[in-house]
Formats: sequence, structure tokens, C-alpha cells
Amino acid sequence: RKEVEQDPGPFNVPEGATVAFNCTYSNSASQSFFWYRQDCRKEPKLLMSVYSSGNEDGRFTAQLNRASQYISLLIRDSKLSDSATYLCVVTSNYGGSQGNLIFGKGTKLSVKP
Amino acid sequence: DAEITQSPRHKITETGRQVTLACHQTWNHNNMFWYRQDLGHGLRLIHYSYGVQDTNKGEVSDGYSVSRSNTEDLPLTLESAASSQTSVYFCASSETRTGQPQHFGDGTRLSIL
Repeated sequence: RKEVEQDPGPFNVPEGATVAFNCTYSNSASQSFFWYRQDCRKEPKLLMSVYSSGNEDGRFTAQLNRASQYISLLIRDSKLSDSATYLCVVTSNYGGSQGNLIFGKGTKLSVKP
Repeated sequence: DAEITQSPRHKITETGRQVTLACHQTWNHNNMFWYRQDLGHGLRLIHYSYGVQDTNKGEVSDGYSVSRSNTEDLPLTLESAASSQTSVYFCASSETRTGQPQHFGDGTRLSIL
């Protein structure tokens, strides 16, 4: 099982749609979780951290299910500007690299007019 | 504003040549990381450093080296460039070791012919 798995997509949705991305991780001892956004040919940028109780930032909601080792990102009222690749990120818990980030391959979202 | 900068942004070189990619951050972060990003692989960790004089190998370190002589810089050297090292390289930094989000530079597109 890969350390962080995401559906690569692409997810093609119309403006205004609600879209959800899922991510599973293999290391039950991972402590920190993030969603990053990456635009084409650009650097990854932190979208939001993911907390155990779930958290919301405007149109974006992130949830964590530790028992199932599952993270989700919900985007409501999609905008054209939301088109990007969304990276699921968890922390490593292996020896000397404990705390380093492990990146999923990303889920591509395309929002159409 | 604090930032992390990479140079050059683009480089074309020939196999066998030594290449050094620069990374400079003004966040005063102890932790710095180098990744490469290729289609189908996502971000893969090459080397990382938790402080001055500290360097560690990541997942794909063969053919690469780093040195950390001060807090601000972590140059990445390709000792003898190979075509398989054609990629987009990202440098990142973080404030602490324990699962903090990382801030990324703009990336360097390296082509080895």
C-alpha cells in the first residue's frame, strides 16, 4: 500500500458545483495533515491544515478520520479559479525523518464555466 | 516579507556536467528540503537539513548532494548530470521539525540533454 493515495482525477465540474476529494494514508502514527494546492507549472502552496475535529475555511472544509486513515477536502460553490491540482500531505513517522512531509500525487480539478 | 527563492528558474545542460541549484530563504527556518517532481511520481524528497552542518538523504538521493554552511542556504549539486535527472526541482523550508507545513520556492526547471 502506498503511503498516501489519492484519486488522480481529473474531476471536471461546472462552476457552482460541490466537489469532494479523498485521500488515504498508510501510517497510522502520522500526526499532521495538510491539503496543498498546486497550479500548473507552479510551486505547491498550503491550502489548509487538517485537524481531528474537522475545520472549515470559507468554501473549503477538511475532515480527518484517524480510525479509517482517511482525509477529505470538500469545495463548495466551485470557482473557475479553483482549477488546480490538490495534494494530500501527511507527516512521516519513520526514524530520523519523523515529521517530514509525504505528498500524495495529487487530484486534478478542472472547473468549467 | 520573508521568502524562499530558487535560482536559476530554468537551466539546460549536458550529461556529465556538474550542476548546482541555489535555494535561499529569509524565514530563518532551520529545516530545508529539496524535492523533485516528475509526472506520475509527485513530489519526491532528495535531501533535507535540520540545521547548519546537518544533511540527510531522502528517498531519491543518488546522484545528488547538499551542503548547509548557514541557515539561509541549501544548494543542491548534481555531481554528474544524467538525463534521468531532467525534472522540476523545488526547495522548501519549515519552522520546526514536527509536522509543520513547508513553504516552497518557485522551482527550477532543469533539462539535461
